[in-house]
Amino acid sequence: DVQMTQSPPILSASVGDRVTITCRASQSIAIWVAWYQQRPGKAPKFLIYKASTLESGVPSRFSGSGSGTEFTLTISNLQPEDFATYYCQQYNNYPRTFGQGTKVEI
Amino acid sequence: QVQLQESGPGLVKPSETLSLTCTVSGGSISDSYSFSYWNWVRQPPGKGLEWIGSISYSGNTKDNPSLKGRVTLSSDTSQNQFSLRLSSVTDADTAVYYCARVSSNGGFDSWGQGTLVTVSP
Repeated sequence: DVQMTQSPPILSASVGDRVTITCRASQSIAIWVAWYQQRPGKAPKFLIYKASTLESGVPSRFSGSGSGTEFTLTISNLQPEDFATYYCQQYNNYPRTFGQGTKVEI
Repeated sequence: QVQLQESGPGLVKPSETLSLTCTVSGGSISDSYSFSYWNWVRQPPGKGLEWIGSISYSGNTKDNPSLKGRVTLSSDTSQNQFSLRLSSVTDADTAVYYCARVSSNGGFDSWGQGTLVTVSP
């Protein structure tokens, strides 16, 4: 299985900050990475696919980059509604696997 | 816009079989030109996400080897539903179970609201 390792597990930030979450894959997965946001008690929300393509309707303060084994999710100008847990996920191989999550907290 | 809704028992006894159904509206699960795959993902309380398996528009299935062959996936195109059966459950199978769609972009782009299934005597 492809292991997805996210860092940091918890990220403390303030409104207006720029934050970056890193996701490392245990083997090369080209650009086949997606990112999700999950608020407490809610289903994950799809943010980014193909490592850097923003899903329709997702604010432009979200951006993704990377290829191969290292990927990043950046949130610029952090807004109150962005405080949540973020997951990366690879879809280059089966089984599909997720990172363990990064909680962005105030 | 496609919508998904999970249904099924919220309590299952150890060693029994967990059965859930996902009803899809706003799109057909047998639509071949949307390249959609229909998935189950679970999340134990306070933990991360685990992919369970998927069934394609043509009925082909894949499941996570970590579940050791306990997974059965099926679909009913007449009802526009797909289903999960997980056999021989233990308390480690207690989780919120989500159904989700993968379309041509490759990610899980639509999700149900999730249903909590507790394994307990």
